[in-house]
Order: sequence, then structure tokens, then C-alpha cells
Amino acid sequence: KQEVTQIPAALSVPEGENLVLNCSFTDSAIYNLQWFRQDPGKGLTSLLLIQSSQREQTSGRLNASLDKSSGRSTLYIAASQPGDSATYLCAVRKSSGDKLTFGTGTRLAVRP
Amino acid sequence: ETGVTQTPRHLVMGMTNKKSLKCEQHLGHNAMYWYKQSAKKPLELMFVYSLEERVENNSVPSRFSPECPNSSHLFLHLHTLQPEDSALYLCASSPHGDGVGYTFGSGTRLTVV
Repeated sequence: KQEVTQIPAALSVPEGENLVLNCSFTDSAIYNLQWFRQDPGKGLTSLLLIQSSQREQTSGRLNASLDKSSGRSTLYIAASQPGDSATYLCAVRKSSGDKLTFGTGTRLAVRP
Repeated sequence: ETGVTQTPRHLVMGMTNKKSLKCEQHLGHNAMYWYKQSAKKPLELMFVYSLEERVENNSVPSRFSPECPNSSHLFLHLHTLQPEDSALYLCASSPHGDGVGYTFGSGTRLTVV
């Protein structure tokens, strides 16, 4: 059974700092991996989707990497801003059409 | 708004009540989903509907009863709930039943007293 772990559970950084969020998964046979953002009391917004054949994806200040063989992904946020404060969730899919398996998330606070 | 609208935003109900959660999307998506998000637990997929047919039911207790009358609307009927059912219930839709291209609603915060 696939398990997804995100460390740390919570993180507080000063504005402007570069930071890395970690995601690990127990079964490396995945179809793709996705990073989401969730604001308090709100739904999820998809940030980046990495297919199993890809090593990384970039969108603005966000860069997600994937090392399938070691069961790890990282989300790099450059020059963090208070508006980046949210919970970041990682999810993996085993095959096309399969359900997403989510981690418990990292709650990020960026201090002005 | 994301295009997926959930009502109500907040709901408090007693264990003997019957209530319904509503989800609506006008994105032209063919698949809709119910997720449960409890404190300090990963999101749990509850139900999947594709073209108005239920394609997945993840061992959800019968006190949760989904209904999908058409591809734009999804309901979750609740009855005889337990306090541990208190959670954020999220609805999502995607163009097809493969789960790619999710759009999530803002959720209904349910408290069972």
C-alpha cells in the first residue's frame, strides 16, 4: 500500500528565504506526482504535475523535482513571500486513472 | 471561485439529523469526486462518479450516501453521523474519470455534535 510522507509538518521562515519542502513515497512505481497548495479552510489548487519520466517541473518561483528510484520529491520555493503561506500537499498516482494518494502536508508560514 | 461550488460552507449537525452537502460545477467536466479531510490525516477519497455513474466507493460507511443526478451536480447525504465524521468535505471535478486536471471546491466544514 502506497504511503506518502511529508516532512516537516510545519515550517516558519522569514520573507525572502529560499526553502525546500520534502515528499517521500514508499512505492516507486508511480505514474505521476503532483504538488498542491491549500489555503486555510479552502480547497486545493494544483501547482505542478511531474510525470514519472520527468525529473523536474518549474512554474515561476516554484520548482519541483522527482527522484522516482529513491521515492522522493522536493518542492523548491525561491524568494518566499507572505502570500506563499499555506499548506502544501504532495500526491502520487500509481497508474493512469488510479486515485491520488496524498501526504498530510507541510504547513508553511512566511513571516514579513 | 474555482468553478466548483460547494454549499453550505459550514454545517453543524446532531448525530440524529439528516443533512445533505451539495457540489456544483459548470466546467463541462465528466467526473466528480468526494474527499474527506480530517485533522492531521491525508485526504481520503470517498466516492468517484464518472458520467453520472459511481465508479469507486472506498469502503465508506453507509451513513454517507452520494447522489449524482447529472454531470454538473453531486450530493452527499448524511444521516446518523458520529463525532469522528467531523471534517472538511471537499468536492472536486475533472474533465474525465482519470483524475487528471482536478478542480477543487472550497469545501464544507462539518461538525457533528
